[in-house]
Amino acid sequence: DTGVSQNPRHKITKRGQNVTFRCDPISEHNRLYWYRQTLGQGPEFLTYFQNEAQLEKSRLLSDRFSAERPKGSFSTLEIQRTEQGDSAMYLCASSQGGREHSFEQFFGPGTRLTVL
Amino acid sequence: AQSVTQLDSQVPVFEEAPVELRCNYSSSVSVYLFWYVQYPNQGLQLLLKYLSGSTLVESINGFEAEFNKSQTSFHLRKPSVHISDTAEYFCAVSNTGGFKTIFGAGTRLFVKA
Repeated sequence: DTGVSQNPRHKITKRGQNVTFRCDPISEHNRLYWYRQTLGQGPEFLTYFQNEAQLEKSRLLSDRFSAERPKGSFSTLEIQRTEQGDSAMYLCASSQGGREHSFEQFFGPGTRLTVL
Repeated sequence: AQSVTQLDSQVPVFEEAPVELRCNYSSSVSVYLFWYVQYPNQGLQLLLKYLSGSTLVESINGFEAEFNKSQTSFHLRKPSVHISDTAEYFCAVSNTGGFKTIFGAGTRLFVKA
């Protein structure tokens, strides 16, 4: 299967703990995105990578959040000192750049985070 | 800043009836427009997109959307829905760089027999 994969699929943690999520994009895609989705809302843009460079961060991404994409392959999203308000579905998507690929983003299944 | 408003949170409709899911956007720059669909227990997937050219775009499963610049709308329509169209539909807008995509809150389409 060559789709976007995310691990873990579910994470339950206690407030104040750190968590890390992983996203493996489609192999030939150079763009990678992280979104957060809460119940009844659409995905909210968090950050974007082109290859290994993080080019855009939303103001939603507080200093407790950090994302990396070493070597332009997989990406990790870490949340430090989790709060109950961090409970959400965290989505990863990837795409090929350039107009010829029409900016279609391919989404992973998401990681559901529950902070107790 | 860009924003997307989906005017209906839920749309119940009978099978074989027509449906329209409404989407309005705001932006001070040129944008690309998308509809994504999320079927039950599945991830988001692209349904159709408008980049340029013909303002009417179609999907392979009978949906169409029309870009109306003067009304800043991109409504999604289907002349006859099926039970299998039951899903959540998200309208989205991105800048022409294509990387920062803003999604609407979604419209849940429920097709009844």
